[in-house]
Amino acid sequence: DIQMTQSPSTLSASVGDRVTITCRASQSISSWLAWYQQKPGEAPNLLIYKASNLESGVPSRFSGSESGTEFTLTINSLQPDDFATYYCQQYSNFPWTFGQGTKVEIE
Amino acid sequence: QVQLQESGPGLVKPSETLSLTCTVSGGSFSSTSHYWGWIRQPPGKGLEWIGSFFYNGNTYYNPSLKSRVTVSVDRSRNQFSLSLASVTGADTAVYYCARHTYGVGLDYWGQGTLVTVTS
Repeated sequence: DIQMTQSPSTLSASVGDRVTITCRASQSISSWLAWYQQKPGEAPNLLIYKASNLESGVPSRFSGSESGTEFTLTINSLQPDDFATYYCQQYSNFPWTFGQGTKVEIE
Repeated sequence: QVQLQESGPGLVKPSETLSLTCTVSGGSFSSTSHYWGWIRQPPGKGLEWIGSFFYNGNTYYNPSLKSRVTVSVDRSRNQFSLSLASVTGADTAVYYCARHTYGVGLDYWGQGTLVTVTS
């Protein structure tokens, strides 16, 4: 199985901050990586696909990038609605696997 | 607009079989671009992919659950199902059904249903 190591597990930030979350794959997944946002009591919501492509309807303050097996989700100018938990997921190989999640909290 | 809705018992006894159904509207199981499947999330924990099927009938399972899991489809009803045998407390989770678009990811999800394993 491909292991996805996500960091940090918790992040404290303020409205307006720039936030970065990292996900590292245990082997090459090309660009087959997605990022999701999950709020309490809700299903995850797709934000970014194929490492850097913004899903339709997702605000442009969200962006994704990659460097080898390291992937980054950046939120520019954090908004109140962005306080949530974020997960990365690889879909290069079965079994599809997720990172452990990053909870973005209000500082 | 694609919509998915999970249904099934919220309580299951240990050693019994968990059975859930996902009803899909606005989507087709015949599409060559989509997988359909199940993901779960234990309370307060992360996401775990369980298994998915493709339009040609191929099914893919998480090896950690493979011996206990079956994903099946009823095309006439536009439903697919999850069966998880010999459950224990570790199988207590919110179970989601979801669509994966090829090259994109899990782009449509059901609202999720909590299944508690308890005697």
